Order: sequence, then C-alpha cells, then structure tokens
Amino acid sequence: AQKITQTQPGMFVQEKEAVTLDCTYDTSDQSYGLFWYKQPSSGEMIFLIYQGSYDEQNATEGRYSLNFQKARKSANLVISASQLGDSAMYFCAMRAFSSSGSARQLTFGSGTQLTVLP
Amino acid sequence: DADVTQTPRNRITKTGKRIMLECSQTKGHDRMYWYRQDPGLGLRLIYYSFDVKDINKGEISDGYSVSRQAQAKFSLSLESAIPNQTALYFCATAGLAGVGEQFFGPGTRLTVL
Repeated sequence: AQKITQTQPGMFVQEKEAVTLDCTYDTSDQSYGLFWYKQPSSGEMIFLIYQGSYDEQNATEGRYSLNFQKARKSANLVISASQLGDSAMYFCAMRAFSSSGSARQLTFGSGTQLTVLP
Repeated sequence: DADVTQTPRNRITKTGKRIMLECSQTKGHDRMYWYRQDPGLGLRLIYYSFDVKDINKGEISDGYSVSRQAQAKFSLSLESAIPNQTALYFCATAGLAGVGEQFFGPGTRLTVL
C-alpha cells in the first residue's frame, strides 16, 4: 500500500525567505513518482514539480525544488524567495508502479497550509 | 477556455436526492478521475476511467457511481445523497505524455443538508 505523510498542518514564512514543506512516503514498490500540487484559496489544484524514483538529481522548477532523499523516503518541497502569492495549501502525492509495470493510483497527503507573511 | 471544466461549481441539496456532477475536458486525455476533498484528509479517489469502456473503483466508491459518456466526458452521481458526502469534488485528467501529472478541474462544492 502507498502512504503519504505531511506532518505540518500549517507553516509560516516571512516574505523573501525560503521554506521547506515536509513529505514522507511509504511504498514497497521500487519504481514510483512524487508530485507536489498547490491549492490556492480559489480552490484549483496546480501541478508544481515531479521527481521520479530513479532520477539522480533533485528536480527543480523555477523557485521550487524537491529535496529527494530516497533512503529516508522523503521528498520535501523547497520554495525559495517566498512571495505573498505562495500562500496556499500544498499537497504531496505519489504514484507507484508494480513489478509488472502497471501504475497504481495517485495517493495524496493531507496537505500543509503555507502562509507567507509580509 | 479552461481545459477541464466541472458543472455545477456549487450545489446545495437535501438528503436523499440524486445528484450528478459533470466533467468535460478538451485536453484529449484518455484517463479521467473523480476525487473528493475533505478538510485534513487531502484528496481521495472515488472512481477512475482509462477509456470509455474502462471504469474502476477507487478508495471510496461506496455511495457513488460514474458514467463515461465519451472520451471527453465523465460524470459522477450520488444516487441518494447523505450529509457526509458534503465535500469539494474534483475531476482530473491525465495523458500518457510527460510524467503523467494530472490536470484538475476547478472543483464542485457540494453541500448535502
């Protein structure tokens, strides 16, 4: 079974500072992918960044980077130079692949509410 | 125009009523999904479909049914709504290209009184 744990229900960060949102995962599959989504107060889900389990380098997308530590089963999202518009709920999600290659469904964590302070 | 649309965006209904939530997409994706979001629980998968003839139950399918009328349309029905089905419902699509990220609709906020 797949499981995603986000232990920070809420986080605060000062504008222009960096912030790390934690995500740990559990799966017995060797091949999997990790996703981060942003949900602003308007409600839509926005895809931010992806890390494959076999990717040797940490994924980066603009101000977003993923601190992937495979041995610790963690995939933390780092947002650099926080902006007021970064205030939102952030979800970590995982999709694993069975040994036969079939994809399991996306499993979401419970989310972290980030507030950027001016 | 949005690639994934959901109707209605908001709905208030009474216990026991039948409700249909509709999802349409212009992305040309074969894979479509229905999720519900509850505070503190993240998103949970209700049903998913990989093509018109393929429908699968997700984690929490009890009390729900779906219909894949065409590649672009995927509807979710609550046959007899109950108050604990009050939630935010999302439709999502995914293609085979890229990393398989899912693209979400704007959500439908459903309240069952």
